[in-house]
Amino acid sequence: EIVMTQSPATLSVSPGERATLSCRASQIVSSSLAWYQHKPGQAPRLLIYSASTRATGIPARFSGSGSGTEFTLTISSLQSEDFAVYFCHQYNNWPLTFGGGTKVEIK
Amino acid sequence: QVQLVQSGAEVKKPGASVKVSCKASGYTFTKYAMHWVRQAPGQRLEWMGWINADNGNTRYSQKFQGRVTFTRDTSASTAYMELSSLRFEDTAVYYCARERPGYLDRDFDLWGRGTLVTVSP
Repeated sequence: EIVMTQSPATLSVSPGERATLSCRASQIVSSSLAWYQHKPGQAPRLLIYSASTRATGIPARFSGSGSGTEFTLTISSLQSEDFAVYFCHQYNNWPLTFGGGTKVEIK
Repeated sequence: QVQLVQSGAEVKKPGASVKVSCKASGYTFTKYAMHWVRQAPGQRLEWMGWINADNGNTRYSQKFQGRVTFTRDTSASTAYMELSSLRFEDTAVYYCARERPGYLDRDFDLWGRGTLVTVSP
Protein backbone atom coordinates (compact mmCIF):
# COMPACT_ATOMS: atom_id res chain seq x y z
CA GLU A 1 0.00 0.00 0.00
CA ILE A 2 1.03 3.61 -0.52
CA VAL A 3 2.43 5.26 2.59
CA MET A 4 1.70 8.96 3.01
CA THR A 5 4.20 10.89 5.10
CA GLN A 6 3.35 14.34 6.38
CA SER A 7 5.74 16.91 7.77
CA PRO A 8 6.13 18.51 10.12
CA ALA A 9 4.08 16.68 12.72
CA THR A 10 3.42 19.97 14.50
CA LEU A 11 3.66 23.48 13.11
CA SER A 12 3.61 26.48 15.42
CA VAL A 13 2.45 29.60 13.62
CA SER A 14 1.31 33.07 14.66
CA PRO A 15 -2.05 34.36 13.39
CA GLY A 16 -1.58 36.15 10.11
CA GLU A 17 1.52 34.17 9.18
CA ARG A 18 1.87 31.68 6.33
CA ALA A 19 1.80 27.94 6.97
CA THR A 20 3.27 25.37 4.61
CA LEU A 21 2.46 21.70 5.12
CA SER A 22 4.01 18.83 3.19
CA CYS A 23 2.80 15.41 2.17
CA ARG A 24 4.93 12.79 0.43
CA ALA A 25 3.68 9.58 -1.15
CA SER A 26 5.79 6.42 -1.27
CA GLN A 27 4.66 5.87 -4.88
CA ILE A 28 3.34 8.10 -7.61
CA VAL A 29 -0.31 9.06 -7.01
CA SER A 30 -0.64 11.43 -9.96
CA SER A 31 -2.88 14.28 -8.78
CA SER A 32 -5.22 12.05 -6.80
CA LEU A 33 -4.55 13.80 -3.53
CA ALA A 34 -6.89 15.52 -1.11
CA TRP A 35 -6.36 17.64 1.98
CA TYR A 36 -8.70 17.80 4.96
CA GLN A 37 -9.01 19.90 8.08
CA HIS A 38 -10.05 18.21 11.30
CA LYS A 39 -10.97 19.83 14.59
CA PRO A 40 -11.65 17.82 17.77
CA GLY A 41 -15.21 16.52 17.96
CA GLN A 42 -16.07 17.72 14.49
CA ALA A 43 -16.37 16.04 11.15
CA PRO A 44 -13.31 16.35 8.92
CA ARG A 45 -13.71 18.99 6.20
CA LEU A 46 -12.53 18.62 2.62
CA LEU A 47 -10.27 21.54 1.65
CA ILE A 48 -8.51 20.51 -1.55
CA TYR A 49 -9.00 17.71 -4.06
CA SER A 50 -7.12 16.74 -7.21
CA ALA A 51 -4.06 18.19 -5.46
CA SER A 52 -4.92 21.80 -6.20
CA THR A 53 -8.69 22.35 -6.54
CA ARG A 54 -10.39 24.07 -3.64
CA ALA A 55 -13.56 22.41 -2.47
CA THR A 56 -16.83 24.31 -2.41
CA GLY A 57 -16.83 27.14 0.11
CA ILE A 58 -13.15 26.90 1.00
CA PRO A 59 -11.49 30.31 1.40
CA ALA A 60 -8.86 31.36 -1.10
CA ARG A 61 -6.17 31.46 1.59
CA PHE A 62 -6.01 27.66 1.28
CA SER A 63 -4.09 26.40 -1.73
CA GLY A 64 -2.69 23.06 -2.78
CA SER A 65 0.10 22.19 -5.16
CA GLY A 66 2.16 19.27 -6.35
CA SER A 67 1.79 16.06 -8.29
CA GLY A 68 3.41 12.66 -8.42
CA THR A 69 4.79 12.12 -4.93
CA GLU A 70 5.27 15.58 -3.43
CA PHE A 71 2.42 17.80 -2.33
CA THR A 72 2.00 21.00 -0.39
CA LEU A 73 -0.87 22.69 1.38
CA THR A 74 -0.37 26.41 1.98
CA ILE A 75 -2.45 28.60 4.24
CA SER A 76 -1.49 32.11 3.22
CA SER A 77 -2.52 34.00 6.35
CA LEU A 78 -3.61 31.94 9.30
CA GLN A 79 -6.88 32.86 10.94
CA SER A 80 -7.89 31.78 14.43
CA GLU A 81 -10.28 29.19 13.02
CA ASP A 82 -7.49 27.51 11.03
CA PHE A 83 -5.75 26.00 14.02
CA ALA A 84 -6.50 22.32 13.59
CA VAL A 85 -5.08 19.05 12.33
CA TYR A 86 -4.59 18.70 8.58
CA PHE A 87 -4.21 15.40 6.80
CA CYS A 88 -3.63 14.31 3.25
CA HIS A 89 -5.27 11.39 1.46
CA GLN A 90 -4.30 9.56 -1.72
CA TYR A 91 -6.98 7.99 -3.83
CA ASN A 92 -4.97 6.87 -6.83
CA ASN A 93 -4.52 3.30 -5.61
CA TRP A 94 -6.34 0.80 -3.44
CA PRO A 95 -6.32 0.75 -0.52
CA LEU A 96 -6.94 4.43 -0.02
CA THR A 97 -4.47 5.77 2.51
CA PHE A 98 -3.98 8.82 4.68
CA GLY A 99 -1.11 10.77 6.09
CA GLY A 100 -0.45 10.91 9.79
CA GLY A 101 -1.50 14.55 10.02
CA THR A 102 0.06 17.91 10.82
CA LYS A 103 -1.18 19.80 13.84
CA VAL A 104 -1.16 23.55 13.28
CA GLU A 105 -0.99 25.26 16.63
CA ILE A 106 -0.84 28.82 17.82
CA LYS A 107 2.68 30.11 18.38
CA GLN B 1 -29.06 20.58 5.86
CA VAL B 2 -26.61 18.27 4.16
CA GLN B 3 -25.13 16.05 6.83
CA LEU B 4 -24.25 12.55 7.99
CA VAL B 5 -25.39 11.67 11.48
CA GLN B 6 -23.80 8.66 13.07
CA SER B 7 -25.02 6.48 15.91
CA GLY B 8 -23.74 6.85 19.44
CA ALA B 9 -20.73 5.42 21.20
CA GLU B 10 -20.54 1.69 21.85
CA VAL B 11 -18.71 -0.47 24.35
CA LYS B 12 -18.25 -4.10 23.34
CA LYS B 13 -16.47 -7.15 24.67
CA PRO B 14 -13.80 -8.97 22.67
CA GLY B 15 -15.37 -11.38 20.22
CA ALA B 16 -18.61 -9.43 19.95
CA SER B 17 -19.90 -7.49 16.95
CA VAL B 18 -20.79 -3.84 16.55
CA LYS B 19 -23.03 -2.15 14.04
CA VAL B 20 -22.66 1.58 13.41
CA SER B 21 -25.21 3.57 11.45
CA CYS B 22 -24.79 6.66 9.33
CA LYS B 23 -27.95 8.55 8.39
CA ALA B 24 -27.76 10.90 5.44
CA SER B 25 -29.92 13.97 5.04
CA GLY B 26 -30.15 16.90 2.68
CA TYR B 27 -29.18 15.01 -0.46
CA THR B 28 -30.20 12.02 -2.55
CA PHE B 29 -28.66 9.11 -0.68
CA THR B 30 -28.42 6.74 -3.64
CA LYS B 31 -26.44 9.16 -5.82
CA TYR B 32 -23.26 8.91 -3.73
CA ALA B 33 -20.97 6.13 -2.60
CA MET B 34 -20.26 5.88 1.11
CA HIS B 35 -16.91 5.00 2.61
CA TRP B 36 -15.96 3.93 6.09
CA VAL B 37 -12.77 5.07 7.76
CA ARG B 38 -11.52 4.52 11.27
CA GLN B 39 -8.92 6.10 13.54
CA ALA B 40 -7.49 4.22 16.50
CA PRO B 41 -5.98 6.24 19.35
CA GLY B 42 -2.70 7.79 18.27
CA GLN B 43 -2.93 6.25 14.82
CA ARG B 44 -3.64 7.62 11.38
CA LEU B 45 -6.91 7.27 9.57
CA GLU B 46 -7.46 3.84 8.08
CA TRP B 47 -9.76 3.18 5.13
CA MET B 48 -12.07 0.19 5.60
CA GLY B 49 -13.99 0.11 2.33
CA TRP B 50 -17.02 1.51 0.57
CA ILE B 51 -20.54 0.75 -0.52
CA ASN B 52 -22.40 1.86 -3.60
CA ALA B 53 -25.52 3.30 -1.99
CA ASP B 54 -27.52 2.73 -5.16
CA ASN B 55 -26.93 -0.95 -5.89
CA GLY B 56 -25.32 -2.09 -2.63
CA ASN B 57 -22.08 -3.26 -4.22
CA THR B 58 -19.19 -3.19 -1.78
CA ARG B 59 -15.42 -3.18 -1.73
CA TYR B 60 -13.54 -3.95 1.44
CA SER B 61 -9.97 -3.30 2.44
CA GLN B 62 -8.11 -6.58 2.52
CA LYS B 63 -7.31 -5.96 6.17
CA PHE B 64 -10.98 -6.17 7.13
CA GLN B 65 -12.21 -8.66 4.53
CA GLY B 66 -14.30 -11.35 6.18
CA ARG B 67 -14.87 -9.36 9.33
CA VAL B 68 -16.68 -6.25 8.10
CA THR B 69 -20.00 -5.89 6.32
CA PHE B 70 -21.44 -2.74 4.78
CA THR B 71 -25.15 -2.51 4.13
CA ARG B 72 -27.60 0.26 3.43
CA ASP B 73 -31.32 0.97 3.77
CA THR B 74 -32.28 3.28 0.93
CA SER B 75 -35.72 3.94 2.39
CA ALA B 76 -34.06 5.32 5.52
CA SER B 77 -31.10 6.94 3.72
CA THR B 78 -28.85 5.10 6.13
CA ALA B 79 -25.61 3.20 5.71
CA TYR B 80 -24.37 0.61 8.18
CA MET B 81 -21.00 -0.82 9.09
CA GLU B 82 -20.85 -4.06 11.04
CA LEU B 83 -17.55 -5.32 12.40
CA SER B 84 -17.41 -8.77 13.96
CA SER B 85 -14.97 -10.73 16.12
CA LEU B 86 -13.94 -7.52 17.83
CA ARG B 87 -10.43 -7.24 19.28
CA PHE B 88 -8.93 -4.70 21.65
CA GLU B 89 -7.17 -3.08 18.69
CA ASP B 90 -10.52 -2.34 17.06
CA THR B 91 -11.02 0.40 19.63
CA ALA B 92 -11.30 3.47 17.42
CA VAL B 93 -13.49 6.26 16.13
CA TYR B 94 -15.36 5.07 13.07
CA TYR B 95 -16.37 7.58 10.40
CA CYS B 96 -18.65 7.40 7.43
CA ALA B 97 -17.68 9.66 4.56
CA ARG B 98 -19.48 10.51 1.34
CA GLU B 99 -17.50 10.18 -1.86
CA ARG B 100 -17.41 13.31 -3.93
CA PRO B 101 -18.89 12.54 -7.34
CA GLY B 102 -16.40 12.48 -10.17
CA TYR B 103 -14.78 10.04 -12.53
CA LEU B 104 -12.24 8.00 -10.55
CA ASP B 105 -12.41 10.52 -7.71
CA ARG B 106 -12.38 8.89 -4.28
CA ASP B 107 -12.07 11.87 -2.00
CA PHE B 108 -14.71 12.67 0.57
CA ASP B 109 -16.74 15.85 0.57
CA LEU B 110 -18.91 15.06 3.59
CA TRP B 111 -18.06 13.22 6.79
CA GLY B 112 -19.91 12.14 9.89
CA ARG B 113 -18.64 13.21 13.30
CA GLY B 114 -17.55 9.70 14.12
CA THR B 115 -18.65 6.92 16.44
CA LEU B 116 -16.37 5.78 19.22
CA VAL B 117 -16.25 2.02 19.57
CA THR B 118 -14.46 0.76 22.65
CA VAL B 119 -13.54 -2.89 23.00
CA SER B 120 -13.13 -3.70 26.66
CA PRO B 121 -13.30 -6.89 28.75
